[in-house]
Amino acid sequence: DGGITQSPKYLFRKEGQNVTLSCEQNLNHDAMYWYRQDPGQGLRLIYYSQIVNDFQKGDIAEGYSVSREKKESFPLTVTSAQKNPTAFYLCASSMGSADSGRVTDTQYFGPGTRLTVL
Amino acid sequence: DQQVKQNSPSLSVQEGRISILNCDYTNSMFDYFLWYKKYPAEGPTFLISISSIKDKNEDGRFTVFLNKSAKHLSLHIVPSQPGDSAVYFCAASWRGSARQLTFGSGTQLTVLP
Repeated sequence: DGGITQSPKYLFRKEGQNVTLSCEQNLNHDAMYWYRQDPGQGLRLIYYSQIVNDFQKGDIAEGYSVSREKKESFPLTVTSAQKNPTAFYLCASSMGSADSGRVTDTQYFGPGTRLTVL
Repeated sequence: DQQVKQNSPSLSVQEGRISILNCDYTNSMFDYFLWYKKYPAEGPTFLISISSIKDKNEDGRFTVFLNKSAKHLSLHIVPSQPGDSAVYFCAASWRGSARQLTFGSGTQLTVLP
């Protein structure tokens, strides 16, 4: 079964602690993305990666960090510098292309991780 | 500055009737548009998309219409079913943004039996 997995489903952390959210895909997609959703709002882009060992900041990257050491994996670290970390975090992937030439590049999402900071 | 807007936070429709969800955008560079369906505490599920070279795309009960001059797209669901009740997001992308998706704020569709 091809797809995107995120773990854990629910995560609790104490204020001041860093936490890493996992995202794995076996779709052989080049591009991967991290979004955040807050109640009543759309999804906002945190970071994205179009290829291994390369990633770019999205609209709300402050307080977050990522790595892309393998094509299949794109973990997101929520650091203590993130002011409002409690949210629903979604990972996505797409076929992508190095020069973004693909017009019909659909992103597919994982099931999400609900992070709550206590 | 919201580049993609869904001005109706909610919509209720009777089962069997047509549901029409609307989305407006401001960035004329957008050339690919998508609709996603989302249940609470789950990831969005891709429904249907359309590129800017078309004005209509159909997939079963779902049809997306694009009016480039008005910078407006709509999703029609016919006939609506109770299982369609969910939040629907429209999203848009363009080549210059590395195909990042810009999302609207979503519309909660409730299909009444």
